[in-house]
Amino acid sequence: DAGVIQSPRHEVTEMGQEVTLRCKPISGHDYLFWYRQTMMRGLELLIYFNNNVPIDDSGMPEDRFSAKMPNASFSTLKIQPSEPRDSAVYFCVSRHAGPNTGELFFGEGSRLTVL
Amino acid sequence: AQSVTQPDIHITVSEGASLELRCNYSYGATPYLFWYVQSPGQGLQLLLKYFSGDTLVQGIKGFEAEFKRSQSSFNLRKPSVHWSDAAEYFCAVAPESGGSNYKLTFGKGTLLTVNP
Repeated sequence: DAGVIQSPRHEVTEMGQEVTLRCKPISGHDYLFWYRQTMMRGLELLIYFNNNVPIDDSGMPEDRFSAKMPNASFSTLKIQPSEPRDSAVYFCVSRHAGPNTGELFFGEGSRLTVL
Repeated sequence: AQSVTQPDIHITVSEGASLELRCNYSYGATPYLFWYVQSPGQGLQLLLKYFSGDTLVQGIKGFEAEFKRSQSSFNLRKPSVHWSDAAEYFCAVAPESGGSNYKLTFGKGTLLTVNP
């Protein structure tokens, strides 16, 4: 399996622009998570989906952030408009269902820089 | 709400020396506990996990961790560190049951430097 695939790996944009991050989870995984990593705040869970349905978006910082999962093999995280404080590494993560598996599979991340 | 504390931001050890990375958690019941490792420019990879049973768990790359309920700790250990172990290490906790057991809370991480 190719693992979790994220694109782009790096994005540099200017404040006010729309940013779309993309993710292809591991085939057969039922859960998909979007995490954000910064030096100041560490790893933060933004939102997660189960069987393509958003379950908990309480970590989404504000309305400028939105996430979708139109099918089992694709998800997007969109920031509109972007701000410099959104600069971070965004990880897409997937895992199997079942309480005793526990292992999260991380993509390599999308490093976003907002100028 | 659950929380994880990794008291050491940065640790430096010599190659071949033993290693212990500390992790303390705050949670009302017995949680699920994990250690992940992150190499530069990469995502996180699972080292080991504890759900129940034997409190000493073995992981990949020669790592082990011990769950101590009385101390609310889950420290990571390795008897002899290799240069390739240099990375950032994250402890994480998830509730034992319920739908939210899929929501891991991560510590801030401990950066490990290995001197030759």
